[in-house]
Amino acid sequence: ETGVTQTPRHLVMGMTNKKSLKCEQHLGHNAMYWYKQSAKKPLELMFVYNFKEQTENNSVPSRFSPECPNSSHLFLHLHTLQPEDSALYLCASSQERLEETQYFGPGTRLLVL
Amino acid sequence: QKEVEQNSGPLSVPEGAIASLNCTYSDRGSQSFFWYRQYSGKSPELIMSIYSNGDKEDGRFTAQLNKASQYVSLLIRDSQPSDSATYLCAVPSGSARQLTFGSGTQLTVLP
Repeated sequence: ETGVTQTPRHLVMGMTNKKSLKCEQHLGHNAMYWYKQSAKKPLELMFVYNFKEQTENNSVPSRFSPECPNSSHLFLHLHTLQPEDSALYLCASSQERLEETQYFGPGTRLLVL
Repeated sequence: QKEVEQNSGPLSVPEGAIASLNCTYSDRGSQSFFWYRQYSGKSPELIMSIYSNGDKEDGRFTAQLNKASQYVSLLIRDSQPSDSATYLCAVPSGSARQLTFGSGTQLTVLP
């Protein structure tokens, strides 16, 4: 595997379900990010991890819970989501600093029923 | 004022023409600027980065930066139908230097 991978690619869940999104980067980077992309809206940064430490949480509801066990893996745990949470969730990584080039994974298309 | 602004389009150009995409930003402290391309249903992919005033060319793509005017643009020469996509401008902004994305410009190249 090369670059940034994400699983699953598609997910349908009910509002009472619990699921997790997984991201893995094979680039040797130290910073990882979760973004949300809704239709007709700009990319929204959700969480930032730098050297496994969470450095940013952009007022994301607590029903989204990130986890970064090491610099290569990032998870987004989902529980009691709302239909408006349906979106494309993108993981990205960069060498270290936020100003550097970010490389995106293919995304997980989430539908909340 | 939005931190990063782009014309949402859609922008249509005939095949072989030059497509011009524009982006303005509000944070004067920004030092790096990125253009990403996103095909429908796909994730963004980096096509150009620029750090200094002036032009940077890479194949058919040219990025232009004017820090005094807080303006960055992307020119696509000899546009091809395969260039049809949404182009996102991204600029580190704010005290945390988070990469802030514009809403994107949808480009359609007509055969």
